[in-house]
Amino acid sequence: DAGVIQSPRHEVTEMGQEVTLRCKPISGHNSLFWYRQTMMRGLELLIYFNNNVPIDDSGMPEDRFSAKMPNASFSTLKIQPSEPRDSAVYFCASSLAQGEVYSNQPQHFGDGTRLSIL
Amino acid sequence: SQQGEEDPQALSIQEGENATMNCSYKTSINNLQWYRQNSGRGLVHLILIRSNEREKHSGRLRVTLDTSKKSSSLLITASRAADTASYFCATVDFTGGGNKLTFGTGTQLKVEL
Repeated sequence: DAGVIQSPRHEVTEMGQEVTLRCKPISGHNSLFWYRQTMMRGLELLIYFNNNVPIDDSGMPEDRFSAKMPNASFSTLKIQPSEPRDSAVYFCASSLAQGEVYSNQPQHFGDGTRLSIL
Repeated sequence: SQQGEEDPQALSIQEGENATMNCSYKTSINNLQWYRQNSGRGLVHLILIRSNEREKHSGRLRVTLDTSKKSSSLLITASRAADTASYFCATVDFTGGGNKLTFGTGTQLKVEL
């Protein structure tokens, strides 16, 4: 079975440029999560969606960050304008949220996008 | 913010030895999960323990949970070089709904031949 697919795997760009990260969740999963991982701050939840609707975006660092989920099979995380401090590995994860036991479902992670802002 | 704090931050052992990692958390939880991350890869779910469970086994993994002390431990028995990775605990709570995980700081395990 195909896992969570993220693209690109690596992105190097200059500060001020727009960056778009893409994620395809596992088919049938209805929860999608965006995380950021750095040495200093560890793994941080940025935003998550249930059934394509954003539920909690309190982790989004500032207005330069935005995320969309136009359908069940695709999500984007956009940074505009990008800054050097945005350099990190960004992960997308998906899980099945269903009924009362949704919180007991594991999350499945993609292999991340390593973003470097020069 | 980090909910869980793992201890130790780094652990180096010989192949065949057991590895024990500990996790402490701060708030009430519904369940606690352990994940592994190999270098350059995403996290992989290992095991989940519910708040009303005290111990759970899966292959060479044994997880314990003490909700009174807000702590959990992951034991890997008969370790192998392939177990070299970072290990994270993650807690789940229902606040706000959804399957929201808060990850700890991780333990870097190195298993040497």
